[in-house]
Amino acid sequence: DAKTTQPPSMDCAEGRAANLPCNHSTISGNEYVYWYRQIHSQGPQYIIHGLKNNETNEMASLIITEDRKSSTLILPHATLRDTAVYYCIADFYNQGGKLIFGQGTELSVKP
Amino acid sequence: EAGVTQFPSHSVIEKGQTVTLRCDPISGHDNLYWYRRVMGKEIKFLLHFVKESKQDESGMPNNRFLAERTGGTYSTLKVQPAELEDSGVYFCASSQEILGAGYSYEQYFGPGTRLTVT
Repeated sequence: DAKTTQPPSMDCAEGRAANLPCNHSTISGNEYVYWYRQIHSQGPQYIIHGLKNNETNEMASLIITEDRKSSTLILPHATLRDTAVYYCIADFYNQGGKLIFGQGTELSVKP
Repeated sequence: EAGVTQFPSHSVIEKGQTVTLRCDPISGHDNLYWYRRVMGKEIKFLLHFVKESKQDESGMPNNRFLAERTGGTYSTLKVQPAELEDSGVYFCASSQEILGAGYSYEQYFGPGTRLTVT
């Protein structure tokens, strides 16, 4: 399995950028990096994914290092509703399509 | 478009009883997954259906758990008999089939069923 390592918790001020790091040094060459989040009392929600180029969508940006051993999820203007546990996943297709969740990072956005 | 729905939202049962959880995936999604989170632990995969067939049931903890997907539509997860360690939140997710890959990375999750075994 391509294990991921994330800090257990982070704080961010409302309106500021939240930068969530993830280490995935054993990621396979053909695997993407996926990010999901779980807001309290809801099911996990897909955010973004990437292979080796930086990606951006309406929710977030994803920066992947050139060696692909780590990545950073960026929420450019965090709001209180972004308070959630964020999961970085680096082993999906090689796992037959099942998501392997780690501990994730609990992001608290504070006013 | 309706999302993934799960029923019930909460269930409290006694040890030894039987409980059946239901999941209705997004219409047209061939892939259906069950996951669960027990207290203080990570979300863990249980099994994966493609239409009505079990593609992967490697995460099912033991034979007290039985999952079915009738006609490739809704799915049920039965726990019989329930034990204390089965308490947790059970999530269902569905995804489209992507030609050539079989499944999409974007899984849509339901809100979960909170199961409490006393």
